[in-house]
Amino acid sequence: DTGVSQNPRHKITKRGQNVTFRCDPISEHNRLYWYRQTLGQGPEFLTYFQNEAQLEKSRLLSDRFSAERPKGSFSTLEIQRTEQGDSAMYLCASSPTGSIGLYGYTFGSGTRLTVV
Amino acid sequence: QQQVKQSPQSLIVQKGGISIINCAYENTAFDYFPWYQQFPGKGPALLIAIRPDVSEKKEGRFTISFNKSAKQFSLHIMDSQPGDSATYFCAASRNYQLIWGAGTKLIIKP
Repeated sequence: DTGVSQNPRHKITKRGQNVTFRCDPISEHNRLYWYRQTLGQGPEFLTYFQNEAQLEKSRLLSDRFSAERPKGSFSTLEIQRTEQGDSAMYLCASSPTGSIGLYGYTFGSGTRLTVV
Repeated sequence: QQQVKQSPQSLIVQKGGISIINCAYENTAFDYFPWYQQFPGKGPALLIAIRPDVSEKKEGRFTISFNKSAKQFSLHIMDSQPGDSATYFCAASRNYQLIWGAGTKLIIKP
């Protein structure tokens, strides 16, 4: 297990199209997170899974965004009817149970979305 | 509502110098204060973290200083090297969540 894997690395899509990203976390980690990051900003929390249960979703997230984590393994993030404002780096992270401050997130390298 | 404020936004340091990045927080319910390092095209990676009942933690050339009464903490990078050039984020943790600072872009000049 070499870390958190995200696919694709880059995605260019036309406004109005749907896109789906995949994240494969570290296999021993039961927590999974999606973040969004724009240039020059810190990561912005989107959603959090404990195993297969989605326990929190940011209030900033519109209903065009949906995430799943079937069977508590990999996760997908779908954006419907993309808008130019959705252009960002989408980061997935995983962590073991326990203090997140101590153990930290392990981030993937992200999927860079460009909406044209 | 920004709960962790980070400064400066960018920093240029000569090779061999000391890089200092500062953060301040507003909520007293945080349990750890980590620092993350991010290189271009990569996700952030945990660098070092400190508990609020400890005033200083050192790992190699990286040191966190923590002032609980002032609600401030800082990252010091000693003998800064060009390979340290990256964006640094301070954060505060509460349960499973991290509250992030806005980041500091550090450039180490050879």
